[in-house]
Formats: sequence, C-alpha cells, structure tokens
Amino acid sequence: QQPVQSPQAVILREGEDAVINCSSSKALYSVHWYRQKHGEAPVFLMILLKGGEQKGHEKISASFNEKKQQSSLYLTASQLSYSGTYFCGTGSGSARQLTFGSGTQLTVLP
Amino acid sequence: GAGVSQSPSNKVTEKGKDVELRCDPISGHTALYWYRQSLGQGLEFLIYFQGNSAPDKSGLPSDRFSAERTGGSVSTLTIQRTQQEDSAVYLCASTTGRSNQPQHFGDGTRLSIL
Repeated sequence: QQPVQSPQAVILREGEDAVINCSSSKALYSVHWYRQKHGEAPVFLMILLKGGEQKGHEKISASFNEKKQQSSLYLTASQLSYSGTYFCGTGSGSARQLTFGSGTQLTVLP
Repeated sequence: GAGVSQSPSNKVTEKGKDVELRCDPISGHTALYWYRQSLGQGLEFLIYFQGNSAPDKSGLPSDRFSAERTGGSVSTLTIQRTQQEDSAVYLCASTTGRSNQPQHFGDGTRLSIL
C-alpha cells in the first residue's frame, strides 16, 4: 500500500523551515527520500534504516519512527533550490522494491 | 561517470501501436527498476530486475506490458496495443543491487498516446 505524505503542498519564503511527513500502514524497514524538479529525474536525498542508520549526502535531516511507521524530512533555512516535489519511498523487510508516496510539492519564494 | 540513460526522451504514437522504451543503467549496477509517473502523480512501480534472478513483474498493469533485460545490462519496456491511459513518463532506475542503496534515475521517456 502506498505511503501517505503530508502536506500535499507547501509554500515557503526563503529562510523558513518545513517538515514533510510520510506514514505507512505497513511495518517499515527503510525509508528513502527523493526530490524531483519539474521535468527532471528524481534525485536521491536520504535513506533511513530501521535501527537508526542514516545515509545521505545533503545538508538535510530526517527522522524515522519505527513504532509509528512514520518518517519526517526536515528542511531548515530553505533556499530557492529546495523547490520541487519530495517523494518518500518505503521498503519492507528484505524486499528491494520501494513503494512511493504521491509527493509533497514544495515551493520556496524569494 | 555516466548516469542512467533512457531513450527516446519523447515518444508520440497513435492508439493501438506498439512502443519500445530503452534503459541503459549505470555500468556495474545489477538492479534495474521501471516506474510509471502520470501527470502530477507519484512513482508507480512496474518491474524489477536483479542480476540473473527472475524479474519481479508484480507492478505491470496488464499483459500489454512486458520488459526484458539482455545480458544483465540494457532493458527494454514494451507496451503493446497502446491505450490513451498509457500516456505518462516512464522512468528507469538502477542500483548496485545491495540492499538499501540509492536508486539512480534516468530522465525518463515521456510517452503520449494520441
């Protein structure tokens, strides 16, 4: 089943913070976060694993609550370049497939 | 190094025709995924290849859709007797094949069925 992302859309001013949430009805083993700009391919942001390990390469942070089957992505001091659609992809057990949410559209205004 | 390459970037065809979409993954990546993204929607999983294992076809929406991966590298997604609802962006991604690795996406093929 598809994870639920919230909010569906958010508009910020440069420098403001945002939180994007991803909830699943299934037990989660991993959560992946990607950002997609209009007309471009999704780009990897971060992976969070059961047990607390995180893998990422950008200055963003995220949390993974295994009990609640939720993950949140934290964008602080947003920049214009943060604009795009953010997708979470959830993985269960040993399966390597991800099930993606429908996305959160983030717009950062000057 | 080179990323995931997809071709064509755009394809317009008439309803009822067959189409082939190509994906060339990152060299050395053993896992390959196909997704479909309809306008303003998320990524819908279609099929997954891992090395020489049987592919996971659980996401294919109908028997008009098929995919193959030759020599463990290039993959072709074929849609037969296309319908207007097949119009979407078809994305390919590859990973190293180890668990919990980032998926690297191609730029996609935008398919329009007239």
